[in-house]
Amino acid sequence: SAVISQKPSRDICQRGTSLTIQCQVDSQVTMMFWYRQQPGQSLTLIATANQGSEATYESGFVIDKFPISRPNLTFSTLTVSNMSPEDSSIYLCSVVLGRGEQYFGPGTRLTVT
Amino acid sequence: TQLLEQSPQFLSIQEGENLTVYCNSSSVFSSLQWYRQEPGESSVLLVTVVTGGEVKKLKRLTFQFGDARKDSSLHITAAQPGDTGLYLCAGARWAAGNKLTFGGGTRVLVKP
Repeated sequence: SAVISQKPSRDICQRGTSLTIQCQVDSQVTMMFWYRQQPGQSLTLIATANQGSEATYESGFVIDKFPISRPNLTFSTLTVSNMSPEDSSIYLCSVVLGRGEQYFGPGTRLTVT
Repeated sequence: TQLLEQSPQFLSIQEGENLTVYCNSSSVFSSLQWYRQEPGESSVLLVTVVTGGEVKKLKRLTFQFGDARKDSSLHITAAQPGDTGLYLCAGARWAAGNKLTFGGGTRVLVKP
């Protein structure tokens, strides 16, 4: 497995502001993803963070709202822009290792007031 | 669009009982992964199954991948309160870049 850390672990933000979440992995990984998990629900894929190129977004998610950076093979950021209470959620990064096994970071719990 | 149906959504049992969680799809997956999430925590990978018909055991947990690689089950024998949590199945297709499609989750409560 890999050691994955996320910062911050939680935050409370005002409506209309933006928050950048960092994801750091202890080894180089090709594939990294960002997910969202809303209270009581399963995980939903936001985007694939591509190293050196623009992220690939899933239906319902756009770059202006969730800009993603992936400057190298061990680090990525997800920004939640112009936040509203509906953005309150847990945001998780994940990496793929070995035979396609996907491991998740500890998550960032975001509350928007 | 791939869809993974997980059932049941919620399961409440007494300590010592057995339980089975099902994950079904009309799509074929390259692999299927099971995760457990405890309250307030992130998802922890339990197992990955890759081969149709594959059975994997992890102590009291038995995972099976269907022959056609469209469905999977998780069986827990003699459940303990420590097994309480949200169980999630997730399918991946290598041709789709290993993106995971998650089932809706099964919330398991094991009462002492």
